[in-house]
Amino acid sequence: QQQVKQSPQSLIVQKGGISIINCAYENTAFDYFPWYQQFPGKGPALLIAIRPDVSEKKEGRFTISFNKSAKQFSLHIMDSQPGDSATYFCAASNVWNQFYFGTGTSLTVIP
Amino acid sequence: DSGVTQTPKHLITATGQRVTLRCSPRSGDLSVYWYQQSLDQGLQFLIQYYNGEERAKGNILERFSAQQFPDLHSELNLSSLELGDSALYFCASSVRAGGYQETQYFGPGTRLLVL
Repeated sequence: QQQVKQSPQSLIVQKGGISIINCAYENTAFDYFPWYQQFPGKGPALLIAIRPDVSEKKEGRFTISFNKSAKQFSLHIMDSQPGDSATYFCAASNVWNQFYFGTGTSLTVIP
Repeated sequence: DSGVTQTPKHLITATGQRVTLRCSPRSGDLSVYWYQQSLDQGLQFLIQYYNGEERAKGNILERFSAQQFPDLHSELNLSSLELGDSALYFCASSVRAGGYQETQYFGPGTRLLVL
């Protein structure tokens, strides 16, 4: 059973465009929602994270939007660049630091 | 570089065999997590250790086991290997066992191929 559902599976965006990746969860015990970025051959690296008491968090070109009532959160990458081409994972964790990851979105930014 | 190290980088073995994957957490991190990443299953949490003790279990098979040693490095043992065990195995570490906004730092992974 997938605790965190992520879409789309793959995404192709033109340079300068906005990339949007969506995630949904069911378990209300989750209290931390990070996004990880993974390049080929590397381990996932934390990109940005949000708490459930905040509806939006922005760090540079990356923004998380969080909808607690809908149990959904999304990653927006503004002004997407070819260097952003990677696989992005959303995740959710509980107080025991058990992390559940989405299935990943492969982002390709075309120059 | 996350500060988490994993060895070996690559491992090729045969079905039925046993292998050991090793992880050294970041300096100061007491908690170690093991994940399996495959194309069809994504990133699956296997098991967590905190300061030498098992803290949480995820989708870990009975053929798999892990431990964390007094120097805080951890080993993941995979036995009676099957073709379906071929995957990337990641180790991650964090300072504490749980808590608010606890970031996990991932190692570079061990790629296991079972032939």
